[in-house]
Amino acid sequence: EAGVAQSPRYKIIEKRQSVAFWCNPISGHATLYWYQQILGQGPKLLIQFQNNGVVDDSQLPKDRFSAERLKGVDSTLKIQPAKLEDSAVYLCASSPRPVARYNEQFFGPGTRLTVL
Amino acid sequence: AQKITQTQPGMFVQEKEAVTLDCTYDTSDQSYGLFWYKQPSSGEMIFLIYQGSYDEQNATEGRYSLNFQKARKSANLVISASQLGDSAMYFCAMREGGDSGGSNYKLTFGKGTLLTVNP
Repeated sequence: EAGVAQSPRYKIIEKRQSVAFWCNPISGHATLYWYQQILGQGPKLLIQFQNNGVVDDSQLPKDRFSAERLKGVDSTLKIQPAKLEDSAVYLCASSPRPVARYNEQFFGPGTRLTVL
Repeated sequence: AQKITQTQPGMFVQEKEAVTLDCTYDTSDQSYGLFWYKQPSSGEMIFLIYQGSYDEQNATEGRYSLNFQKARKSANLVISASQLGDSAMYFCAMREGGDSGGSNYKLTFGKGTLLTVNP
């Protein structure tokens, strides 16, 4: 079974530029998460989708960040315009429709963003 | 207040020895879940072990076990017989809310512990 795919793996941009990240979850997984992991910290949830609907975006900086999952499969996270403090690893995770008792989240390899 | 506290920024252990990574949590929910993830230098988060708040026995998965002390709100990870490949960041995380299959399974992570296994 293929895992969670993310691209690009690395991105370097200048502040005020725009950037987009792509995530393809494990086939059949209904729930998709985007996390931001700043160096030296644990991941922080930015947004959670259930199919193509948003479940939780309370920690998404909506003035510059946006995300979509139009067909309930893959997802795109965009930052426009980027700030220096957006430098981080952006992790995508997916989990199946809750059937497993603990609904484990499966993570992709992440996209490392550097804003100069 | 932090919901997940990992007080050990770094830990060292000799190969083949056991090591305990500390995690304390804060929640007012009666039903919750605790997770441990491993993050090697490649960056991917790897699920290790889960403990539900109503589980009566401590969780075990191979060389990993979770020392769950509910009254103390601690969920320490024990790795037995450490291997060189265990060198990585380890994160404790909590899901508030039960196992009933609700749709909002948000995880809150601690800051992590960097484990180094010495040969």
